[in-house]
Amino acid sequence: SQKIEQNSEALNIQEGKTATLTCNYTNYSPAYLQWYRQDPGRGPVFLLLIRENEKEKRKERLKVTFDTTLKQSLFHITASQPADSATYLCAPRSGGSYIPTFGRGTSLIVHP
Amino acid sequence: EPEVTQTPSHQVTQMGQEVILRCVPISNHLYFYWYRQILGQKVEFLVSFYNNEISEKSEIFDDQFSVERPDGSNFTLKIRSTKLEDSAMYFCASSPRGDGDNSPLHFGNGTRLTVT
Repeated sequence: SQKIEQNSEALNIQEGKTATLTCNYTNYSPAYLQWYRQDPGRGPVFLLLIRENEKEKRKERLKVTFDTTLKQSLFHITASQPADSATYLCAPRSGGSYIPTFGRGTSLIVHP
Repeated sequence: EPEVTQTPSHQVTQMGQEVILRCVPISNHLYFYWYRQILGQKVEFLVSFYNNEISEKSEIFDDQFSVERPDGSNFTLKIRSTKLEDSAMYFCASSPRGDGDNSPLHFGNGTRLTVT
């Protein structure tokens, strides 16, 4: 069956460092992959989309990579700030569908 | 910036009762979705809706669930006879197109449903 795996343990880093979050998927080949941010008690907020033919995408302090051979996407936040503390969700487009399927997310905690 | 709004923010109901969760999608969007998130778990797809009909649904979306767009602005999720396991946060989302390649989902802030 199709699986999306994100680190279940929270990632704790110091302010100013780069946070790197991992998304691995198995048993399907998404045409694109989206990353969302979710704050407690709120709905997910779209951050970035990367297509299968793109290796890397950047937006301000955010960078996403997509390795279709490894079946992995990495999400980086450079110069992290306490306000970046949230859960980050990976959402590959599920095979044969336009519907994003979400991973469980990784909680990021940035300490001042 | 336009946003998806959901009401109520919290709904408490007794097992076996019907509930209707309401959403107002972004006005020029054409595709509408319901997702749910049980406490501590992932965001799960329930159903998508386009052109006044269901376009996709998951295994979770059984006969107890229905969706409707009763007018030009509202999009509703009805649960006919709630069960304890229906307790969750329900998120409505919309997108301008169904082609997810260029249409990320815009989510509301959810309705927390508690079934007692």
